[in-house]
Amino acid sequence: QVQLQQWGAGLLKPSETLSLTCTVYRGSFSDYYWTWIRQPPGKGLEWIGEINHSGNTNYNPSLKSRVTMSVDTSKNQFSLKMRPVTVADTGLYYCAGGDGWFFRWGQGTVVSVSS
Amino acid sequence: QSVLTQPPSVSGAPGQRVTISCTGSSSNIGAGYDVHWYQQLPGTAPKLLIYDNNNRPSGVPDRFSGSKSGTSASLAITGLQAEDEADYFCQSYDSSLSGYVVFGGGTKLTVL
Repeated sequence: QVQLQQWGAGLLKPSETLSLTCTVYRGSFSDYYWTWIRQPPGKGLEWIGEINHSGNTNYNPSLKSRVTMSVDTSKNQFSLKMRPVTVADTGLYYCAGGDGWFFRWGQGTVVSVSS
Repeated sequence: QSVLTQPPSVSGAPGQRVTISCTGSSSNIGAGYDVHWYQQLPGTAPKLLIYDNNNRPSGVPDRFSGSKSGTSASLAITGLQAEDEADYFCQSYDSSLSGYVVFGGGTKLTVL
């Protein structure tokens, strides 16, 4: 079954760039949209945006000005960049896959933004 | 402030039935967009529990069921078990602005 493995820098300073990557294993990369979701400490989930294998993207309107997603179909990978980060961007970041709903999630990456 | 509203917490004794509500508006659930539910056990990633309002993925016990009516949806759990203690999130789509995925704020289920 499909598995997602994510990685990226977890400790950032304000104004830096958050960069995360997620690899999709054992699944058809072209069948779904690939998504980034975050969870601030002790809070609920927030959708950041999604990308498909063709590079078509949709972003959360509240984050759109700071977010860029990209895809590398040769490696079944998709990536997230967010700049500039602030303390409010601290939280657990997940990659996920699906089409309307998210049937598979990555293990999560803790991102801490602090001066 | 989440677009979809859930109660912060619910509780029930083992064997009981509990429901978790998810209230939206005319631009999301009320517009006909499907609702999906996730279970997040402590320290783990969310897991899909219900998709398209009332469908269970393979492996999810039939103790879990979903429904939708008007601008709201509900998740029901029957025969409550200690292992059900978790956070539960609803998710849908909102057509306002340019359209985007929205979540509820989450409900903490405590098994007494």
